[in-house]
Order: sequence, then C-alpha cells, then structure tokens
Amino acid sequence: NAGVIQTPRHKVTGKGQEATLWCEPISGHSAVFWYRQTIVQGLEFLTYFRNQAPIDDSGMPKERFSAQMPNQSHSTLKIQSTQPQDSAVYLCASSLVVRGSGNTLYFGEGSRLIVV
Amino acid sequence: QQKVQQSPESLTVSEGAMASLNCTFSDRSSDNFRWYRQHSGKGLEVLVSIFSDGEKEEGSFTAHLNRASLHVFLHIREPQPSDSALYLCAVKTGYQNFYFGKGTSLTVIP
Repeated sequence: NAGVIQTPRHKVTGKGQEATLWCEPISGHSAVFWYRQTIVQGLEFLTYFRNQAPIDDSGMPKERFSAQMPNQSHSTLKIQSTQPQDSAVYLCASSLVVRGSGNTLYFGEGSRLIVV
Repeated sequence: QQKVQQSPESLTVSEGAMASLNCTFSDRSSDNFRWYRQHSGKGLEVLVSIFSDGEKEEGSFTAHLNRASLHVFLHIREPQPSDSALYLCAVKTGYQNFYFGKGTSLTVIP
C-alpha cells in the first residue's frame, strides 16, 4: 500500500497562471479530502468527495478553485489565475469511510505551490 | 462552525520528560478526535484516536478527552529528539469534516 500520492511535490507558477494538483487516494478508500496549509491559517478544509461525488465544497474559494474526481483512483484540484496568496501546501487525504472509527484521514505529503 | 485551538504554540522539553499538549474545541457534540504529527516537509501521521471521554493510549502517546470541559489533551511519554514535529489536533462531528487546530511545535532536546 503506497499511501496517498500527491503530484507534483513542488510547483512554482507565475501570477495569473493556472495550477493543477493531483491526488491518488489509497485504494479502496471511499472519501477524498483536500486541505490547504499555511503558517498563518494552519490547516484549512477545502472540499471532499465521497464515492467520487462532491459532498462539501464549503471551504473552496468560489471563483478560481475547482476540484474533480473523475474516477476512484484520482482527484484534481485546479486553481485558475493564481495569486500570491494561493501559495501554500495543498494536502490531499483519503479515508475508508466518512463516519465512525474507520474515518481516520490518511494524508499525502502535500504539493507546495509557490506563486511568484 | 467548529473552532479548534491548540496551546502552547511551541513547546521545548528535554529528552525523556513528559510533554503535554492541549486542544480545545467549541462543539460539545463532537464525537471523533484525532491527534496527528507532521514532521517538516512531510504529511500528517495519525498518532491516536479517541471517541469517548477518558483516556486512550497508543504506544508512548496518550489522549485524554473531557467533552464537558471541551478539552482533549495529548501526553507524550519519554519523548525523543525524533518526536520533534508539529502536533495537530483534529475534531469531527458526525458527517462533518475534520477541523484542525494550528498545531503545537514540539522540540525535544537531547
């Protein structure tokens, strides 16, 4: 079991460009979560999917951020027209189930996005 | 919305001395608590999970939950320099998401 895999690990992009981050959850896990981590705000929830369906995107900035899960082995987070304040580590996590003792989140190592 | 706060922001202890970390939450109906550890540049590693008042031990980590006082503590027995990391508290209610504190940065000096 390789754990949650995130690519790229590091990305530097120019202001106004698009950035796409990929996540491969642990095989068999039904839920996939995206978080953003900064020194100032800590770990902020962005969105999550259950059985590939979007369930809660209440943490997503509405205008430039979007997330998809086209199949059970792959989720993407896309940021259009990136701004310097988007610089952060983006963490993907998966869990076996959403509720109960089996809903431990297992995290990838994150994608560090730097917008210059 | 759930508010999770951790204290202290940073903590330095000597190798072998007990380390105690505090986490407070705002929703008394929260039913799912996790402590995670994050080494620099790495992802989060789950340490201990607790679902009811009382204590739960996993190796050298003990979580203590008191929902009436809205606190969940983490005690680290005989920490080693390799335990130096950011410790994060995560709290969940039902089908809601996990909400995280900003963490306590622990440094263990030899």
